[in-house]
Amino acid sequence: ETGVTQTPRHLVMGMTNKKSLKCEQHLGHNAMYWYKQSAKKPLELMFVYNFKEQTENNSVPSRFSPECPNSSHLFLHLHTLQPEDSALYLCASSQEGASNTEAFFGQGTRLTVV
Amino acid sequence: GQQVMQIPQYQHVQEGEDFTTYCNSSTTLSNIQWYKQRPGGHPVFLIQLVKSGEVKKQKRLTFQFGEAKKNSSLHITATQTTDVGTYFCAGSFSNDYKLSFGAGTTVTVRA
Repeated sequence: ETGVTQTPRHLVMGMTNKKSLKCEQHLGHNAMYWYKQSAKKPLELMFVYNFKEQTENNSVPSRFSPECPNSSHLFLHLHTLQPEDSALYLCASSQEGASNTEAFFGQGTRLTVV
Repeated sequence: GQQVMQIPQYQHVQEGEDFTTYCNSSTTLSNIQWYKQRPGGHPVFLIQLVKSGEVKKQKRLTFQFGEAKKNSSLHITATQTTDVGTYFCAGSFSNDYKLSFGAGTTVTVRA
């Protein structure tokens, strides 16, 4: 248990579906992240939120839509995804400005797009 | 953009042997972190190095940060089956607190 909880753990969705991934952190951190981890590829940073404000969008397709209603919760809304979007989606949090910027990861959501 | 390169991508090790994974950046890093991801798991923080030339040890794991703060290494001695997984380095740069992850070294162990 890392203090970062992701739901669901597994998700299978069709290309016309709309779904949302949820992340919650209980660590009091001020920064939250969405990463995509595909097979045999590096961790890809998708979005960064700092104090609820989006500070980075790494050229992510618009079919991925993040939402950060408060500093403890982060969502990733999915719609009209493609099969190549199948991957492990990891949420992480950290404390910006601290001497130790260790990232705490959730267990991830294994997404399969069919 | 600023990137962190990691080699090798795969490391097949005989149980009991040592191995090293390397991390390099073309730009000076403010700090370097190492993570381990077990098969089917998520990345878990191992250590952070901040100072030039810093060396830290965790049991059989030795972490080093280069003098120029552009490279780092993780050396594991007497590899055990519990060492199986993917080891990631992640660096942050002085103008950006966000972590840039290396591609990872996936370690398998032959008993």
